Amino acid sequence: AQTVTQSQPEMSVQEAETVTLSCTYDTSENNYYLFWYKQPPSRQMILVIRQEAYKQQNATENRFSVNFQKAAKSFSLKISDSQLGDTAMYFCAFIDLNTGNQFYFGTGTSLTVIP
Amino acid sequence: EPEVTQTPSHQVTQMGQEVILRCVPISNHLYFYWYRQILGQKVEFLVSFYNNEISEKSEIFDDQFSVERPDGSNFTLKIRSTKLEDSAMYFCASSGDSGTEAFFGQGTRLTVV
Repeated sequence: AQTVTQSQPEMSVQEAETVTLSCTYDTSENNYYLFWYKQPPSRQMILVIRQEAYKQQNATENRFSVNFQKAAKSFSLKISDSQLGDTAMYFCAFIDLNTGNQFYFGTGTSLTVIP
Repeated sequence: EPEVTQTPSHQVTQMGQEVILRCVPISNHLYFYWYRQILGQKVEFLVSFYNNEISEKSEIFDDQFSVERPDGSNFTLKIRSTKLEDSAMYFCASSGDSGTEAFFGQGTRLTVV
């Protein structure tokens, strides 16, 4: 069974500082994608970043980057130069391209950026 | 930029009534999903839809639920005989031909009273 675990229910960071959100997943498959989604107070789910499992290079999108450790099944999100607008719930998600087209979500990490 | 749109943004319904949640996926996308999120809890998969049929569904998606793509643009979720515990945020999502990156709508908040 595929599972996604986010062990940090809540985190906070000072504005302009860097924060790392943790995510681990469990799968026996090799062909999968990983995502981080952001859910601000508006409740909309917004894609932050995507990582293909076959790529060794860590994905980067502006202030957001990931540390993808395939052997350890770890996929952490680093937010640099945190901004007040980064305050949101962050969900790690996984899709296995071989067995189905269902996205598996972690339980989320609530991030608060403190001015 | 294309986006997934959902209507209504908020619906209040009486217990036992039927509701239809509507979604317009991104036009060239082929995979469609419904997820729900009970307040403060995790995002739960309900169903995925591809090639005009359900491709996968969760345990939550029982006979009370159904999905339909009535025309080339809409994707609907019908909930029959609503229960109090159906109160949640319902998200529609779609993805392109690779079936990977999902784009979510803004959600419909369903309140069953």
